[in-house]
Amino acid sequence: QQPVQSPQAVILREGEDAVINCSSSKALYSVHWYRQKHGEAPVFLMILLKGGEQKGHEKISASFNEKKQQSSLYLTASQLSYSGTYFCGTAPNSGGSNYKLTFGKGTLLTVNP
Amino acid sequence: KAGVTQTPRYLIKTRGQQVTLSCSPISGHRSVSWYQQTPGQGLQFLFEYFSETQRNKGNFPGRFSGRQFSNSRSEMNVSTLELGDSALYLCASSLAKLAGYNEQFFGPGTRLTVL
Repeated sequence: QQPVQSPQAVILREGEDAVINCSSSKALYSVHWYRQKHGEAPVFLMILLKGGEQKGHEKISASFNEKKQQSSLYLTASQLSYSGTYFCGTAPNSGGSNYKLTFGKGTLLTVNP
Repeated sequence: KAGVTQTPRYLIKTRGQQVTLSCSPISGHRSVSWYQQTPGQGLQFLFEYFSETQRNKGNFPGRFSGRQFSNSRSEMNVSTLELGDSALYLCASSLAKLAGYNEQFFGPGTRLTVL
């Protein structure tokens, strides 16, 4: 089942902060975050794993609430380069289904000067 | 290290035709996943292969099929094309045996237009 992302779109001025949320109805093994700029391929930002392990870029901050099956991506002191569509992907905590990532519909982030 | 490559980058087909898309993963990556991306729908999972075995499949009709070769290169095929198949098809490779454990590296995609 597709995770739900909120908000669908957000507009910021440079230097402002934003939070993007991702919610699933299933128990999760991991949550992934990717950013896609217009006309480009999605680029990996971070993985948050069940049990607390995190892997990703140092400048990116995110949280994973395993009990609520929710994750949030924190973008602080935004820069113009942060603009793009952010996708969360979830892998369910159900054995063999770990092979599959299901992505949300994305959050369009626009950072203006 | 070369990234994920996909060929062709653009395709125009007519309804009823079939198409084959190719993906070469990053060297050493044995997991390859395919996604369909359309405006407003995000990334829809098609299937995932590891060591020539399809381990999971998304909710797409049987017209969508794929395979992986011994060198980890993968192909996907869409038969009897419909207008709704117009989309960007993305391939992603991963080092890990579990797609949910490691980051996925996406290719530039193949833009398919069905007329």
